[in-house]
Amino acid sequence: KAGVTQTPRYLIKTRGQQVTLSCSPISGHRSVSWYQQTPGQGLQFLFEYFSETQRNKGNFPGRFSGRQFSNSRSEMNVSTLELGDSALYLCASSSDARVINYGYTFGSGTRLTVV
Amino acid sequence: ELKVEQNPLFLSMQEGKNYTIYCNYSTTSDRLYWYRQDPGKSLESLFVLLSNGAVKQEGRLMASLDTKARLSTLHITAAVHDLSATYFCAVDSYGETSGSRLTFGEGTQLTVNP
Repeated sequence: KAGVTQTPRYLIKTRGQQVTLSCSPISGHRSVSWYQQTPGQGLQFLFEYFSETQRNKGNFPGRFSGRQFSNSRSEMNVSTLELGDSALYLCASSSDARVINYGYTFGSGTRLTVV
Repeated sequence: ELKVEQNPLFLSMQEGKNYTIYCNYSTTSDRLYWYRQDPGKSLESLFVLLSNGAVKQEGRLMASLDTKARLSTLHITAAVHDLSATYFCAVDSYGETSGSRLTFGEGTQLTVNP
């Protein structure tokens, strides 16, 4: 079956702009999580959605937001971009965190560069 | 706050040798995962460890989990160059209402030399 699809793969934005990233989970998966990866901070949790509800949120400013649609696809939005937002953004998909036999499958990521 | 520590952070080893990467975490969890990341790529799932004493093996890699000691190990047997990558452990803080949240270790950058 198809894996986790993230779009776009690469993005260059200017400081102050906003950006929307998309994640389509594996078919049938209802949980989508987002992570930010930077050389300095490593992999950090942004938020998790399950059945269109945000269940968990990491320690990121309010400029970072997300949502999940009824088909489980998720988007994350970053407003008023800062240079420090340059990172690889990864989305993870799972069927249901209560039954996690197969763990989380990650997408290929979106590489965001803010200039 | 859950903290996850890996060591070593950098590991240079010769082909054919054995070594172990350690992952310590600070609060109770019985869900731990190991991932591999190649440069510029995403995370590839290696092992899912869901109970105390869990041991899983795939090829030259073997992972184990001791929830009482809050320790997981990733053992590499007879390393080959293809194993060169960065390895992450991640601990899952799952709650029925709070959902899931992975806390990652810093990663171990493994280089296997001929």
